[in-house]
Order: sequence, then C-alpha cells, then structure tokens
Amino acid sequence: DTGVSQDPRHKITKRGQNVTFRCDPISEHNRLYWYRQTLGQGPEFLTYFQNEAQLEKSRLLSDRFSAERPKGSFSTLEIQRTEQGDSAMYLCASTSGGGTDTQYFGPGTRLTVL
Amino acid sequence: TQLLEQSPQFLSIQEGENLTVYCNSSSVFSSLQWYRQEPGEGPVLLVTVVTGGEVKKLKRLTFQFGDARKDSSLHITAAQPGDTGLYLCAGGSNYKLTFGKGTLLTVNP
Repeated sequence: DTGVSQDPRHKITKRGQNVTFRCDPISEHNRLYWYRQTLGQGPEFLTYFQNEAQLEKSRLLSDRFSAERPKGSFSTLEIQRTEQGDSAMYLCASTSGGGTDTQYFGPGTRLTVL
Repeated sequence: TQLLEQSPQFLSIQEGENLTVYCNSSSVFSSLQWYRQEPGEGPVLLVTVVTGGEVKKLKRLTFQFGDARKDSSLHITAAQPGDTGLYLCAGGSNYKLTFGKGTLLTVNP
C-alpha cells in the first residue's frame, strides 16, 4: 500500500493555458475524490467517482473543469483556459467505502496561474 | 448547506502546555474525521469517530465526538513542537466530507 499519489506536485502556468493533474488512489479503493484548497480555507469538495462513474459534481466545478476515471483506477482533472482564480492546492483522496466515510489524501498538486 | 466551525482559528502555545480545539456544526454527521496538515502537503488522517459520545485516545491526543454527533473536540496534552500544523475536522455524510477552516497550531520550543 503506497498511499494516494498525485502528479505533478507543483504546476506553474500562464493564464489561458490548459493543465491536467493525475491522481493514483490506494489500490482497490473504489471511491476517488477531488478537492480544492485555497489559503486559509479547508478543502472544498469538487467531485467524486465510484469506480469509473462520476457520481457528483460541485457547483465549484465550472465548465472549464473536467474529471475522468476511465478504468476505475487513476483519475485526471483537467482545467481549460486557466484563470488566476484557479490558483490553489488540488487534493485527491480515496476510500474503500463502508460506513465511516474515512478518506485518505494524497500530497496535492499546487497550481499557480500567472 | 452543512457548515463546520472550528475554533480557535489560530493558537500559539509553549512546549509542554495543554490545549483543546473545537469543531461545531448545526448538522448531524455520520462520522467525523480529524486531520493534520503541514504546509504544502495533503491532510493526514488522525482519527475517525462514528458514535455519539465516543472518545478516542492516540498517545497525547484525545478526540471526543459529541452525543448528538454535531460537534467534536481535540485535546493535546504536553504539546511538542512536532505537533505544529493545521488541524482540520471533517464531517462525513452521504459519502462526502465537509471541512472546517482549521485551527493553525504553533508550538514554540
């Protein structure tokens, strides 16, 4: 069990560019979550998958954001036409399910939009 | 909308002191998690509590879940500089977590 991994750890991009982040959950965890965290705030829910199905998306996830989990294992989060307001830490978490909702987080991807 | 309020927002203490931080909500949660987060890293799970009135101890940390499952507290005994970090509580409901803003704890040597 290597834990949740995310790549890249840091991304600096110019406004208007597209970026893609990857998350590899703990193996055999069927639920995968994306969160966004800005300075001084707790993580905010963006979306989650059960296996390959995207079950819920937050209102925070604008049309420029898209997430996929094609084979029910790793997931990608893409942001198109980035804006300075997209600068944040993007966190991925996974869980095996069950009744406790306990989620295990990756180290995050820090996005800076110039 | 479910909200979790954490207090205090900031706490700076000396090594060896005791402290308690709080997590309160008007909503009932099926579970509550506490995480510690260091700068530039993801949150690391400390504990999950699921039963109203439950108390869990993890070395010098004591976690309590309120009887009504709306609030929780974290007590640290004899704080150490290594306890420094952002302490986040998160309420679980309908397969999602709702986070508070956290308590930023600094333990000075």
